[in-house]
Amino acid sequence: GQQLNQSPQSMFIQEGEDVSMNCTSSSIFNTWLWYKQDPGEGPVLLIALYKAGELTSNGRLTAQFGITRKDSFLNISASIPSDVGIYFCAGHASGNTPLVFGKGTRLSVIA
Amino acid sequence: NAGVMQNPRHLVRRRGQEARLRCSPMKGHSHVYWYRQLPEEGLKFMVYLQKENIIDESGMPKERFSAEFPKEGPSILRIQQVVRGDSAAYFCASSPPSNEKLFFGSGTQLSVL
Repeated sequence: GQQLNQSPQSMFIQEGEDVSMNCTSSSIFNTWLWYKQDPGEGPVLLIALYKAGELTSNGRLTAQFGITRKDSFLNISASIPSDVGIYFCAGHASGNTPLVFGKGTRLSVIA
Repeated sequence: NAGVMQNPRHLVRRRGQEARLRCSPMKGHSHVYWYRQLPEEGLKFMVYLQKENIIDESGMPKERFSAEFPKEGPSILRIQQVVRGDSAAYFCASSPPSNEKLFFGSGTQLSVL
């Protein structure tokens, strides 16, 4: 089945720094979604991307749908302590296939 | 507009017992999905249901696991004769008919003793 590879697995950054993480797949995806999960909670949708090349922002977060349709990245600018959590990429290979998740990037922010 | 509601939040069962996990989708959402998450892992798809129909159960173990989404009431994920390996967080998500954006509940943490 489809697999999503997320990197890095974890990162430690200083408050105020920018963060970048990415997600790649071996097959084409039609939709990319980025979620954040806090401990003991379900994933919360951050950004949804629907077209190759699309660049979308949500506050300090920016995500892009790669031109090849096999990758996506998420940037967080000027990180703050509440950005701590696990960030998951997810994608649909087609409208009828289940949403597939990467293994996540664990972000720690040092104040 | 309430989000996806899951209960219980925590469920403890002894080996061999049955576990029933419930999920009420967001208002207006007719599609329900169940995912399982092990510690330090991503979410693994289990099953996708619409009202009274199982659309895709390709991620469901062949034995002991079943799911339903009746015409009335919540979706139920049922695990019979639980084993220690069933311990995990089980998340339910719902979506509108477009099926593109999934919204997740807070999950049920199942612990099998």
